[in-house]
Amino acid sequence: DAMVIQNPRYQVTQFGKPVTLSCSQTLNHNVMYWYQQKSSQAPKLLFHYYDKDFNNEADTPDNFQSRRPNTSFCFLDIRSPGLGDTAMYLCATSRDPGRSSGGYTFGSGTRLTVV
Amino acid sequence: TQLLEQSPQFLSIQEGENLTVYCNSSSVFSSLQWYRQEPGEGPVLLVTVVTGGEVKKLKRLTFQFGDARKDSSLHITAAQTGDTGLYLCAGVRAGGFKTIFGAGTRLFVKA
Repeated sequence: DAMVIQNPRYQVTQFGKPVTLSCSQTLNHNVMYWYQQKSSQAPKLLFHYYDKDFNNEADTPDNFQSRRPNTSFCFLDIRSPGLGDTAMYLCATSRDPGRSSGGYTFGSGTRLTVV
Repeated sequence: TQLLEQSPQFLSIQEGENLTVYCNSSSVFSSLQWYRQEPGEGPVLLVTVVTGGEVKKLKRLTFQFGDARKDSSLHITAAQTGDTGLYLCAGVRAGGFKTIFGAGTRLFVKA
């Protein structure tokens, strides 16, 4: 089945220790998104890639970076995680952005805990 | 301030009861989606609505998009324990391209 796969499912990292979360998709979708979701809150968009074009949200901290080496893979790098970065990180894809997206396909998420 | 306000925030009901949850905005949306998210999992798309007044059914779930495309509702008939989860609405504002999420309604269906 075509899907979005995130690894790892759970990650514990130390304060300030760099961490990378990965996302892969077999849907051949053009757009890949990274969301941060804290407990009982809406998913918050960090950035997205439309093909190779990177689009950062204005309020995404510089601490968060992303790479998309090819259509299938996208990575979220947190350079110096703080305790406030503890959250579920969701990767999503869509064929196109905006109204024509028809909705997103999400991965199962990576639950990150910073200690 | 949330662009998409969902109500209620929490809902606990008995199996077999009916319920409606709401998603409201002062903005017009060109499309709106409903997702269900189970604990520890990513959201799963349930439906997309694009036409004002549109009604879509998915088994016991009925989704309606408001005539003015500013609001939506999700009605569940004869709730089951498997309906437990976080229900998120999300939409693309008219003239925009970014999808905006509401904070969700957390539903718990008791056996």
